[in-house]
Amino acid sequence: AQKITQTQPGMFVQEKEAVTLDCTYDTSDQSYGLFWYKQPSSGEMIFLIYQGSYDEQNATEGRYSLNFQKARKSANLVISASQLGDSAMYFCAMREGDTGRRALTFGSGTRLQVQP
Amino acid sequence: DGGITQSPKYLFRKEGQNVTLSCEQNLNHDAMYWYRQDPGQGLRLIYYSQIVNDFQKGDIAEGYSVSREKKESFPLTVTSAQKNPTAFYLCASRDRVNGETQYFGPGTRLLVL
Repeated sequence: AQKITQTQPGMFVQEKEAVTLDCTYDTSDQSYGLFWYKQPSSGEMIFLIYQGSYDEQNATEGRYSLNFQKARKSANLVISASQLGDSAMYFCAMREGDTGRRALTFGSGTRLQVQP
Repeated sequence: DGGITQSPKYLFRKEGQNVTLSCEQNLNHDAMYWYRQDPGQGLRLIYYSQIVNDFQKGDIAEGYSVSREKKESFPLTVTSAQKNPTAFYLCASRDRVNGETQYFGPGTRLLVL
């Protein structure tokens, strides 16, 4: 069975600073995908970034980058130059690789608060 | 403007009542999913559909039912058999490319009266 662990229930960061949100995963699949989503107070899950298990380069999308360390089974999200609008819940998720349903398994999330 | 819509935004259910949550997408995705989110937790899979006229139970399907008669639509019915339906319900569709990313609708919050 797959499992995602996010050990930081809450994080604070000063505006314009960088912050790292931790995510570790466990799977026996050889092929899988790792995702980060942002959930503001409105509730919608907003896709941020994707990393495939065979990708050798760390994924980047604007101010978001994913620090992928396959041997350690970690997929940490790095947000550079934090903005007040970054305050939200952040979820790490893994897509099932070898089963037909291709569903996502989610962690419990990290609440990020950006302070002015 | 492609996306996923869910309605209603808030839904109230009386005891013994079945209620239906709507999910529509115009992204031309084959696969669609329903997830449930309880306070302070991640999402859990209720049902999924890989293609029209086919759907499968997820991890917490008891007390729920779905249909998939059209590619664009994947409604979820919360039946009276679901004893603890109060939660936030999110619908998603899955892209075939781009890492098979799932894109989510805005969600429906279900409350029991």
